[in-house]
Amino acid sequence: DGGITQSPKYLFRKEGQNVTLSCEQNLNHDAMYWYRQDPGQGLRLIYYSQIVNDFQKGDIAEGYSVSREKKESFPLTVTSAQKNPTAFYLCASSILVGSPNSNQPQHFGDGTRLSIL
Amino acid sequence: DQQVKQNSPSLSVQEGRISILNCDYTNSMFDYFLWYKKYPAEGPTFLISISSIKDKNEDGRFTVFLNKSAKHLSLHIVPSQPGDSAVYFCAAAGTSYGKLTFGQGTILTVHP
Repeated sequence: DGGITQSPKYLFRKEGQNVTLSCEQNLNHDAMYWYRQDPGQGLRLIYYSQIVNDFQKGDIAEGYSVSREKKESFPLTVTSAQKNPTAFYLCASSILVGSPNSNQPQHFGDGTRLSIL
Repeated sequence: DQQVKQNSPSLSVQEGRISILNCDYTNSMFDYFLWYKKYPAEGPTFLISISSIKDKNEDGRFTVFLNKSAKHLSLHIVPSQPGDSAVYFCAAAGTSYGKLTFGQGTILTVHP
């Protein structure tokens, strides 16, 4: 089945440590996204990528970094500079808007919950 | 600045009745709107969408209404079922790169 796989489901970070969240998709989607969800809040965009080797900052990119070396993969690194990293992180993908099938919905993985030790 | 707002944090409905979830937006550049459903510890699942050239879109028990002049959209679920109990997010897009802006979510509880 095609879909988006996020791993691990739960992750713990020590103070001063960088951690990387994995996101893989086999939907052949060009665009991929990372969101953060905090209790009582909507999803906020961290980074997005429309094409391999290119990505842009979203609304809350500080303290995060990404890479897009392959179409299928869009890992997110939560750096020690992110002072409040405890949250639920969601990865999504979609057909690239502007293509013949524009305005397609984003499809989400099941998320990774990051906590601080 | 919250560009997409869901002002009702929660909604409780009896099984078989209609559920109406509301969403307001402020950015007039938004031209595509979506509703997602989310269960705890899972990712959101796409439900239904509407383009700004329409004022209604229907898919089975789910209907989305868009009032552009009021910058308001709503999701109607008829009839409501206990399995519909979840958090519902509205989202809006208005640029060519597909960036979505989400509301805070509304917790829907459907009682048997």
